[in-house]
Amino acid sequence: SAVISQKPSRDICQRGTSLTIQCQVDSQVTMMFWYRQQPGQSLTLIATANQGSEATYESGFVIDKFPISRPNLTFSTLTVSNMSPEDSSIYLCSVEDPTSFYGYTFGSGTRLTVV
Amino acid sequence: GENVEQHPSTLSVQEGDSAVIKCTYSDSASNYFPWYKQELGKRPQLIIDIRSNVGEKKDQRIAVTLNKTAKHFSLHITETQPEDSAVYFCAARGGGNKLTFGTGTQLKVEL
Repeated sequence: SAVISQKPSRDICQRGTSLTIQCQVDSQVTMMFWYRQQPGQSLTLIATANQGSEATYESGFVIDKFPISRPNLTFSTLTVSNMSPEDSSIYLCSVEDPTSFYGYTFGSGTRLTVV
Repeated sequence: GENVEQHPSTLSVQEGDSAVIKCTYSDSASNYFPWYKQELGKRPQLIIDIRSNVGEKKDQRIAVTLNKTAKHFSLHITETQPEDSAVYFCAARGGGNKLTFGTGTQLKVEL
């Protein structure tokens, strides 16, 4: 199955600052997905990132707050901008695994704490 | 868009008993239904999945059933073991290849 390297694994940030999370996949994938998982909650899709086009954001998430880059078929970044304590969550990237029909694989997650 | 409901939110069973978790979905066009296990501090891991053209799938102690007419799908774990204790999420794949997740079930297997 596809292997995703996500970093940083965790960070503690000051409010008002920004953090960029990176995901690197060991194979080329068309779609990458970014999720947020608040403490004790389920996974909520933030946006879908396709190479060569702007990301598609879900209701409640905006590009100014969560800008996404997708420069090639193996890499994507998510930035959490102008952070507040409410942004404290785990952020995960995911890909539709090209080695598995319809399978989806997740990165190890970034645990973000905003103080 | 797709909406996935999951029940129960918590489930406690004795070791060796069976556990069943149920999900319903809203989008009749959804065609893929995975189940993930998430241990504390870890990423979700796919444990079994089923496609819309199949009614049941089994992998050792784990099985999934799908009722397309009723838009229900369920996870069945037999002969539960302490290492089965985790949070389980169902999901449905709808438009845009997006997965929509259920709210999760905290399964506790007691000795």
